[in-house]
Amino acid sequence: DSGVTQTPKHLITATGQRVTLRCSPRSGDLSVYWYQQSLDQGLQFLIQYYNGEERAKGNILERFSAQQFPDLHSELNLSSLELGDSALYFCASSVEPLRDSEQFFGPGTRLTVL
Amino acid sequence: GENVEQHPSTLSVQEGDSAVIKCTYSDSASNYFPWYKQELGKRPQLIIDIRSNVGEKKDQRIAVTLNKTAKHFSLHITETQPEDSAVYFCAATSNSGGGADGLTFGKGTHLIIQP
Repeated sequence: DSGVTQTPKHLITATGQRVTLRCSPRSGDLSVYWYQQSLDQGLQFLIQYYNGEERAKGNILERFSAQQFPDLHSELNLSSLELGDSALYFCASSVEPLRDSEQFFGPGTRLTVL
Repeated sequence: GENVEQHPSTLSVQEGDSAVIKCTYSDSASNYFPWYKQELGKRPQLIIDIRSNVGEKKDQRIAVTLNKTAKHFSLHITETQPEDSAVYFCAATSNSGGGADGLTFGKGTHLIIQP
């Protein structure tokens, strides 16, 4: 157990819908990262927050957005869902935003878009 | 941005033998190279990492080597055991351009330990 929690574990929804994925970082970690894992694209970095502020953006679609709240939990919002958005979404956390900080991954949310 | 290539995509070895997985990266500014192990349906778990000021790091049966000049790094697992069977991902961080701190992952290597 990494100490990072994610809810829900599984999510099944239809195309065009909107969902919210939730992540709580390890105690003491200020930085949260979101990753998408799919069979064709592999593990891809989406976005990073540090202490409530957006820190870095990766391959995140405009239909996706995220935020980090004062209690440091983070939410990833996915809208106008398409079949290709079906994937495992991981959240990771680290103490600092620095590039060589160890990142600890949560158990993931499996999203299925039908 | 950073690009990480990983080989092989599948590796089958006899139990007790060694396994080597290789990765190359493109951004000379990258300075942190972690390796993750992922079992089916589970989260990636950090197993070892190396920073660019070090050429080799060892942790029991696992070692990682880094060649900054050639921009490649490798994972070595000795005396493989059935529980080593999993997908292994290498990764690198690049702070070029906009200062992205996310990891760039290789495509993964499915390691199969044959009994």
